[in-house]
Amino acid sequence: KQEVTQIPAALSVPEGENLVLNCSFTDSAIYNLQWFRQDPGKGLTSLLLIQSSQREQTSGRLNASLDKSSGRSTLYIAASQPGDSATYLCAVKRFGTYKYIFGTGTRLKVLA
Amino acid sequence: NAGVTQTPKFQVLKTGQSMTLQCAQDMNHNSMYWYRQDPGMGLRLIYYSASEGTTDKGEVPNGYNVSRLNKREFSLRLESAAPSQTSVYFCASSAADSSNSPLHFGNGTRLTVT
Repeated sequence: KQEVTQIPAALSVPEGENLVLNCSFTDSAIYNLQWFRQDPGKGLTSLLLIQSSQREQTSGRLNASLDKSSGRSTLYIAASQPGDSATYLCAVKRFGTYKYIFGTGTRLKVLA
Repeated sequence: NAGVTQTPKFQVLKTGQSMTLQCAQDMNHNSMYWYRQDPGMGLRLIYYSASEGTTDKGEVPNGYNVSRLNKREFSLRLESAAPSQTSVYFCASSAADSSNSPLHFGNGTRLTVT
């Protein structure tokens, strides 16, 4: 059974810091991995999607990497801003299924 | 650019009442999903529909039913609401036949069962 873990559960950093959020999964037979952002009281917004054959994806100040052999993905946020404050979730989709399994998220607070 | 639209946004039910949560997407996606989100539990899959005419159970299907009315619409029904079903419900969709197709979410329905 696929399990997805995100550590830490919460993180506070001063504005301007570069930071890394972690996502671990137990089954390496994944189809893709997605990172999402969720603001309080809102739905999830897709940030980056990494296909199984890819090692990383970049969008602006965000970079996501994927290492299937170790069952890990990281989301790197460069030069963090207060507007980056949100909960970040990762989700994996296993080969042969239509299901996405989510981690419980990392709640990020960037202090001005 | 509507994307995934959920109605209602908020609902309060008494134990034993029934209701249907509506979801529609305008992206011509094949797959649609219903999740619930609870504090400390993350998002858990209730039901999904890989394509029009098919539905399958997820992790927590008990107490729920679904209907894939057509390619656009996927509804979730609570036949006899219980306090344990107090949660935030999210509908999502994706183009199932592509590994490069992200999951798109609606803004959620906040349900309280008293």
